Order: sequence, then C-alpha cells, then structure tokens
Amino acid sequence: KAGVTQTPRYLIKTRGQQVTLSCSPISGHRSVSWYQQTPGQGLQFLFEYFSETQRNKGNFPGRFSGRQFSNSRSEMNVSTLELGDSALYLCASSGTDYGPLETQYFGPGTRLLVL
Amino acid sequence: AQTVTQSQPEMSVQEAETVTLSCTYDTSENNYYLFWYKQPPSRQMILVIRQEAYKQQNATENRFSVNFQKAAKSFSLKISDSQLGDTAMYFCAFTRHNAGNMLTFGGGTRLMVKP
Repeated sequence: KAGVTQTPRYLIKTRGQQVTLSCSPISGHRSVSWYQQTPGQGLQFLFEYFSETQRNKGNFPGRFSGRQFSNSRSEMNVSTLELGDSALYLCASSGTDYGPLETQYFGPGTRLLVL
Repeated sequence: AQTVTQSQPEMSVQEAETVTLSCTYDTSENNYYLFWYKQPPSRQMILVIRQEAYKQQNATENRFSVNFQKAAKSFSLKISDSQLGDTAMYFCAFTRHNAGNMLTFGGGTRLMVKP
C-alpha cells in the first residue's frame, strides 16, 4: 500500500501570498489531520477532516483553512502569508472513525518558506 | 486544555545500552491515550508505542516499553539495546478519548545513539 503523500515537498512564497498544500491519505483512510511544526512552537494541531467534514480544529487564525474531497484527499490553504508561517506542514491519515485506536500514518511533510 | 512536557531536550546513549525518555502531561480527563512518536532526520513521523489510560499494564513493543504512572501523569519511554537507527527526535503525545485524531505533542527529545 502506498503511504501518505504530500505535495509539493518544498515551497517558497513571499509575504502576502497564499498557498495550497495537498495531502493524499493511504487508500481507504477517511481521516486526515494537519500539523504545523516549527522550531519555536513545536508541533501544533491545525485541523482534522473525516468524511469531508471538519471534525476538530486547533487554535490557528482564520487564514488557515482546509477541506477534504470525496476521495479523502485533503488540502490546506494559508492566505496572506506571514513570515511566521514558515514551517514543516505534516499531514496524517488513519483508517476509521475510531480515532486514536487506529494508528496515524504521517506523510513526509511540505516545507514552506515565507520570504 | 492539555499540556505535554518533555524535560530533556537532548540525550545520548551508547549503542546497546538502555535509555529512558521522560514525559509528563496535564489533563483533567480520565479517558485518554498517550503515544511516543519518532521523527528521524528524514522528518517522517513514526508511531513507536501507544498506551490507553484505562489499561494498567504498560505497553511494550519489542525493544520499546513505557512506564505509565497515571496518578503522577507520567509516561516515560524506555529503549533497550539502543541501535544507531534509534537516533531521532522523540515526541510524546496525548489525545482525549473520542477526540478523533487530534494530538497534543510535547516539545521533543533529541536522542543520539553513539557507536
């Protein structure tokens, strides 16, 4: 089975621009979660989608948004980029709605640099 | 809100020896799950071990075991027979029962296994 894939792997943007990151979960998985990893703030939960519905949301401003498609692929969008949005963005998928009883499989991440 | 604290930013161990990584957490919940994740230099997060709070028995996975002290809110990871491939960042994580896939991570411990 193919693992979680994230595209693109690297991105360079300038302040004020917007960006869209994509995550394709493992085939059959319905839950996709997104995390931001920075040296200063560590790993922080952004949001989780399950069956096209946002199930959980972290404490991030409205500039961060996401969605999930019927094939479970998910996108996250960051508008009006700020320097502090530079980070590694990780997504994770899991198989069912049993939550943490199911292992979350992480993708390799998208590294975003905002100049 | 839940918090997870890893008090050891960096640790090192000789190959074949045993090392213990510490984690404490704060929650008012009674049902929850705890995890240890490994993030090698490739940045791919990998689940090492997990523990359900309602289980008194400590989880073990091959060379990895935990010491779960619910009253003390402590969840340490013991790595036996350390191998060079264990070199990585290790993150302790928490999620509430029925909270979906929404992890709260500690700040991480960088483990170096020396030959």
